[in-house]
Amino acid sequence: QSALTQPASVSGSPGQSITISCTGTSSDVGTYNLVSWYQQHPGKAPKPLIYEVSNRPSGISDRFSGSKSGNTASLTISGLQPEDEADYYCCSYVYGNTYVFGSGTKVTVL
Amino acid sequence: EVQLLESGGGLVQPGGSLRLSCAASGFTFSWFAMSWVRQAPGKGLEWVSGINHSGDRRFYADSVKGRFTISRDNSKNTLYLQVNNLRAEDTALYYCTKEKGSEVDTVKVDSWGQGTLVTVSS
Repeated sequence: QSALTQPASVSGSPGQSITISCTGTSSDVGTYNLVSWYQQHPGKAPKPLIYEVSNRPSGISDRFSGSKSGNTASLTISGLQPEDEADYYCCSYVYGNTYVFGSGTKVTVL
Repeated sequence: EVQLLESGGGLVQPGGSLRLSCAASGFTFSWFAMSWVRQAPGKGLEWVSGINHSGDRRFYADSVKGRFTISRDNSKNTLYLQVNNLRAEDTALYYCTKEKGSEVDTVKVDSWGQGTLVTVSS
């Protein structure tokens, strides 16, 4: 199972909105509304941001939102803040009860 | 508070074996599916294996199938990963993770340990 495709890097200025894409296939993202997003700061364990394409776990800011169209899921960060600088990973269910992560995107706040 | 404490990592030669453990606390371990996720140095996340709440359904990434075995002891609140026939590309930080559901089918990983490092080198 190949990793889902994410842009290597995305950047934005404080207050701006950015969107990270996550492209899979009809065997994963395209068929299942089971896409999660995780944030990882350097040297730290990942933190869940989004479940099931667009649902935020309790305690996650509404500045983070998710969506999906066809084989591509997206994470949008609104009102970009310095603490949003981190790596972001999508993850999708794959037929047969396995998961596949995205290649990861480094977000830089300019 | 959920706590996941991994152990068992270390330096091993190619072809060698290790058993990774994850001691869980702060929740009813036997109710939830668990998974192992790894991260090679400076690289991205890779899902490795998952097991349902009772331990009778186990799943593996193609890259480790036949070499790794996931198991759990619900009486000891502990998750295991037996890793055999190790290769250089298995070098990574191995995270123990908890899912929100009882089966490996939701991609809702809600808790992560701090990881245990496995280094495969001669």
